[in-house]
Amino acid sequence: SAVISQKPSRDICQRGTSLTIQCQVDSQVTMMFWYRQQPGQSLTLIATANQGSEATYESGFVIDKFPISRPNLTFSTLTVSNMSPEDSSIYLCSVDLRPQFFGPGTRLTVL
Amino acid sequence: GIQVEQSPPDLILQEGANSTLRCNFSDSVNNLQWFHQNPWGQLINLFYIPSGTKQNGRLSATTVATERYSLLYISSSQTTDSGVYFCAVEKTGGSYIPTFGRGTSLIVHP
Repeated sequence: SAVISQKPSRDICQRGTSLTIQCQVDSQVTMMFWYRQQPGQSLTLIATANQGSEATYESGFVIDKFPISRPNLTFSTLTVSNMSPEDSSIYLCSVDLRPQFFGPGTRLTVL
Repeated sequence: GIQVEQSPPDLILQEGANSTLRCNFSDSVNNLQWFHQNPWGQLINLFYIPSGTKQNGRLSATTVATERYSLLYISSSQTTDSGVYFCAVEKTGGSYIPTFGRGTSLIVHP
C-alpha cells in the first residue's frame, strides 16, 4: 500500500494567479499521476510524471498550463497556471501499485 | 478508446438495504478496480478485480471479463457507504492508464 499526502488541501485563488500543489508518497514509486475532477464529474488524467524526465500529458492538457516537477521518487508538484474559474476542481495525485492509491485531493476554487 | 458505463447513475437507499452497482465496458480488459469517493473527496480502492469474485466485509465484487461487466454488491448498507462509486478499467493491449466510468452516486439515509 501507499500513504499519499497533498498540500494544500484546499485553496481559493484569484483568476490569473498560479497555484502549486505538492504530492508526497511514503515509498519510492516510478510513476506518479495527476488527475483533475471537475464538480460532479469523473476523474480525468492530466499527466504522468516520471522521475528524471518530462511529464507525459494527456490530450487537452499542456505543459504551459500545468507544469509538473518530479525531482525524486517520492515527490511531485503540479502547478495550475494563469487560473480561470474553469480550473475550479479537485486535483488528485495517484500512484499505481496494483491497486491504485490516491492522495486526499486539493480542492481549488478560482474566483 | 474503451467505454465504461456505470449504472445506476444515482441511488438512494434506506439504511440496512442491499444494492448492486454495475460497470459495463466495451472492450477486453487487463484490470478492473472499484473505488469509493467519500463526501470529503477521498478516493479509496475497494477492489482490484480483473476477474472472479472477491469479498471484503459487507462488500463484494464480481467481474465477468468474457461478458465485459463487473458488479459491486453492498449488503446491509450504512450511512457511511454514502458517496460516489467509480469503476476503472485498463484495456488489454492498451496503456496502463485506467479509464474511469462516470460513477454511481449513493445516498444512504438513516
